[in-house]
Amino acid sequence: NAGVTQTPKFQVLKTGQSMTLQCAQDMNHNSMYWYRQDPGMGLRLIYYSASEGTTDKGEVPNGYNVSRLNKREFSLRLESAAPSQTSVYFCASSEASETEAFFGQGTRLTVV
Amino acid sequence: GENVEQHPSTLSVQEGDSAVIKCTYSDSASNYFPWYKQELGKGPQLIIDIRSNVGEKKDQRIAVTLNKTAKHFSLHITETQPEDSAVYFCAASPWGGKLIFGQGTELSVKP
Repeated sequence: NAGVTQTPKFQVLKTGQSMTLQCAQDMNHNSMYWYRQDPGMGLRLIYYSASEGTTDKGEVPNGYNVSRLNKREFSLRLESAAPSQTSVYFCASSEASETEAFFGQGTRLTVV
Repeated sequence: GENVEQHPSTLSVQEGDSAVIKCTYSDSASNYFPWYKQELGKGPQLIIDIRSNVGEKKDQRIAVTLNKTAKHFSLHITETQPEDSAVYFCAASPWGGKLIFGQGTELSVKP
């Protein structure tokens, strides 16, 4: 049972490049989330998907897009990376809202 | 939208002492308040949670209290041990499926 798997673990991008962060969970969870973690700012919600087929903006959605590909997978896309998007990105999933969220190991992204 | 404030940002205690971390939230519709522990290089993990119909919950050395009227909740760790050293996050879940986190508290337990 792998839980929540994020790929890649590390990535360096040049300003203006695009990339997609992948997230998959094998717990049959309905809800999935993308967060970014920056020093002193905690975990900030980028986008979430309360159930398959729905996505909603979180606290800091600008510069990002998401796709809930199916119940298992929730991807995060940066269309034109900026240095301000340098961060550690975490994907999480939960059975439903107001239940325990399980986190992946994170993706450390650097934009130069 | 929901806003969660967490204090202090850093906390240093001696082994065996108690540690208290406090959070306030803004959305009175929030009903679920989890606490997460994050160790270096890992994703956060749930350590305890509380719902709005309960005022206090305990799990061994960890307890959480909730005051819905004042919109604040706290984490209490008793008899701290070096392995309790980590970053702790509070969170609140307003209606609609979001999970909003506080800024985190870096707890250091000195032997």
